[in-house]
Amino acid sequence: DIQMTQSPSTLSASVGDSVTITCRASQIINSWLAWYQQKPGKAPKLLIHKASSLQSGVPSRFSGSGSGTEFTLTISSLQPDDFATYYCQQYISYPLTFGGGSKVEI
Amino acid sequence: QLQLQESGPGLVKPSETPSLTCTVFGGSISSTTYLWGWIRQPPGEGLEWIGSIYYSGSTNYNPSLQSRVTISVDTSKNQFSLRLSSVTAADTAIYYCARSMLTANYMDVWGKGTTVTVSS
Repeated sequence: DIQMTQSPSTLSASVGDSVTITCRASQIINSWLAWYQQKPGKAPKLLIHKASSLQSGVPSRFSGSGSGTEFTLTISSLQPDDFATYYCQQYISYPLTFGGGSKVEI
Repeated sequence: QLQLQESGPGLVKPSETPSLTCTVFGGSISSTTYLWGWIRQPPGEGLEWIGSIYYSGSTNYNPSLQSRVTISVDTSKNQFSLRLSSVTAADTAIYYCARSMLTANYMDVWGKGTTVTVSS
């Protein structure tokens, strides 16, 4: 299985900050990486696929980068609605695997 | 707009084999473009992919659960289902169904989730 490791696990930030979350894969996954946002009591929501492609309807303050084994999710100018937990997921091979999550809190 | 809705038993006893169903609204489960999958999330924990199915019935399962999992599809009802045998407390989780692309296995549409609690 491909292990996905996210850091940090928790991040404290303020409205207006720019934040970056890192996701590392245990094997090369090219750009086959997605990012999701999950709020308490809600299902995950797709933000980015293919490492850097913004899903339709997702604000442009979200961006993704990376390839191979190291990836980042950046939220520029954090908004109150962005306080949530973020997960990465590889989809180059089965079993599909997720990172452990990164909680962005105030 | 495509929507997915899970349904399940809620509370089950250890060793039972609960079945969960995901109904697809606003689209056809028989599309050749998509896979239909199950993901679970134990309380306070992260996401675990369980498995996926194509409308033809072809499946892929997580090896960690493969011996206990069966995913099936009923195209006439626009539904797919998950059976998980011999459950224990470790199977207590929110179970989500989701759609993914056949050619790129990220989940772009999710159901709201259904909670399964395993307790005697």
